[in-house]
Parts: sequence; C-alpha cells; structure tokens
Amino acid sequence: DTGVSQDPRHKITKRGQNVTFRCDPISEHNRLYWYRQTLGQGPEFLTYFQNEAQLEKSRLLSDRFSAERPKGSFSTLEIQRTEQGDSAMYLCASSPRNSGNTGELFFGEGSRLTVL
Amino acid sequence: AQSVTQLGSHVSVSEGALVLLRCNYSSSVPPYLFWYVQYPNQGLQLLLKYTSAATLVKGINGFEAEFKKSETSFHLTKPSAHMSDAAEYFCAVSDQGEKLTFGTGTRLTIIP
Repeated sequence: DTGVSQDPRHKITKRGQNVTFRCDPISEHNRLYWYRQTLGQGPEFLTYFQNEAQLEKSRLLSDRFSAERPKGSFSTLEIQRTEQGDSAMYLCASSPRNSGNTGELFFGEGSRLTVL
Repeated sequence: AQSVTQLGSHVSVSEGALVLLRCNYSSSVPPYLFWYVQYPNQGLQLLLKYTSAATLVKGINGFEAEFKKSETSFHLTKPSAHMSDAAEYFCAVSDQGEKLTFGTGTRLTIIP
C-alpha cells in the first residue's frame, strides 16, 4: 500500500510560465485537499474535493490557480502565469470516507515550486 | 473564524528532558484540535487529535496533549525527549468541518 504521492517533487520555472502538479491520494479515500506552505508558515488551505466535486476554495486561490479531480481519483493543481510569490511547497492530503469531520488528513511529501 | 497560535517558533530541550510545545486556539464553536509532526523531507503525520471525548489525549511516540477549555489551550508534552523527536510540530484546529487551520509551527531541537 502506498500513501499519498505527489509529482513532481521539485519544479523550477521562470516567471510567467504555467506549471501543473499531480496528486494521487490513498486509493480508498474520497476526500482530497490542497494546501500551500511557505517558509516559516504552517500549511494554508487552498481547496478540497469530495470525489470529483470541488466543495470549497480559499480566497488564496486566485484565478490563476485551478484544481481538478476529473474522475474522483487523482487531482491536478495548475498555476498559470506563475509569479515569484507562488514559490512555496504545495501539499496534497486525502482522508477516508469514514473519517467524518474529524479532520484526520494523510499528507503527501509535497511539491516544491521555485519561480525565478 | 478559527485560529491557533503556537508560542515559540524554536524550542530546544536536552535529551531525556520534558518536551512542552504550546498551542492556544480560538474558535467560535467546540473545536477539534490536532498536532501534526513533520520530519525532514517527509509529509505531515498526525500525532494526536482531540474530538470532544477525553480531554487528555495520547498519541504516537509517547506524546500527549491536554485540552483545557478555560485556558483555550492544547499544549503538547512528552516526559522524556529522544533524539528522534527532532522535527517541526504543527497545531491545527477544525470547526468540525473539512478544513484545518494550522499554526505557524514549532521546530524542536534535541540537544545530546
């Protein structure tokens, strides 16, 4: 059994380019979350899915950001026209159907984005 | 809105000494509270959680935390620090919904 996997682990890009991150949750988990973590800060909520439905988006998620989970399995997070302020670790987490609302999340190792 | 405040961004303790990491919360509804740990180059792992059952919660690796409503606190403790406890620790709160709000983290260093 594998945990939450994220790809790529590191991405260096130039300002203005588009980047896409992929997250594969634990297979039986129906909820999937994206968080962003910058240096010296805790993770900040971006968005979450229940199956393929995107149920909540943070105001941090500007219109340059889009997340999808087309078949209720893996998810992608795309950032268009990247800016230096987008440099951060992007974390994906999943939780099982029976976790209820207890907030127990299983995190991946993250995708680190550096925008030059 | 909910929030957590972690006092002390860096804490150093000697091996074998008591570990105390502080977390205070703010929530307009009875909260769920969590401690997560992040080891270098690894994802966050759940240490323990409070979900309105027992106020003293025991977690993995000998850690425990006590929910004190009167003090709005959820401090993390371990009686005897081990070198392997060196990591970053995050307190988090949920309003019984889907979203966790994390604190800024406390980096724990263990002195041999």
